Amino acid sequence: AQSVTQPDIHITVSEGASLELRCNYSYGATPYLFWYVQSPGQGLQLLLKYFSGDTLVQGIKGFEAEFKRSQSSFNLRKPSVHWSDAAEYFCAVGGISNDYKLSFGAGTTVTVRA
Amino acid sequence: NAGVTQTPKFRVLKTGQSMTLLCAQDMNHEYMYWYRQDPGMGLRLIHYSVGEGTTAKGEVPDGYNVSRLKKQNFLLGLESAAPSQTSVYFCASSLLAGAQETQYFGPGTRLLVL
Repeated sequence: AQSVTQPDIHITVSEGASLELRCNYSYGATPYLFWYVQSPGQGLQLLLKYFSGDTLVQGIKGFEAEFKRSQSSFNLRKPSVHWSDAAEYFCAVGGISNDYKLSFGAGTTVTVRA
Repeated sequence: NAGVTQTPKFRVLKTGQSMTLLCAQDMNHEYMYWYRQDPGMGLRLIHYSVGEGTTAKGEVPDGYNVSRLKKQNFLLGLESAAPSQTSVYFCASSLLAGAQETQYFGPGTRLLVL
């Protein structure tokens, strides 16, 4: 069965500081990996996705993520956070062996302090 | 182009009442999904549809029914609401199958069952 673990429930970061959100996945075959962001009261928006090729993936809003097969991880990073990055972030995994259905992690809430 | 819309935005039900949540997309997407989001659990797939007239069970289908009579609409029904169904419900759609396909989410419906 596929699953996603986001070890950090809540992270507080200062504006301008770097941010890293952890994601560990369990999947029996080649995974397809996603990061979504949910602003308060909104639906989810795709930040980036990985399914093949370069293991460092660039996304929108200055985010990037690195796929590390040996560590079963897909951590999200941003070099310098803005107050507007305060949101909840979800990692998700899917792939061919589960009919492409996605499994989501529990989410990490990011608070940005001035 | 409205994307994915959900009706209603918020609803309060008494135990045993029924209701239908409506999801509409104007992107001509084949796949549509219903998720529920609960604190600390991320998003869990309730039902999904791979095309007009088809539906399939997801991870947590009990207590829900769905219909996809028109390609652009995906309805989620609760025949006899229970307090355990208090949640935020998200609809999503994607152009095709395949984990590389981005899912586009609606803004959510907040349901409270008393």
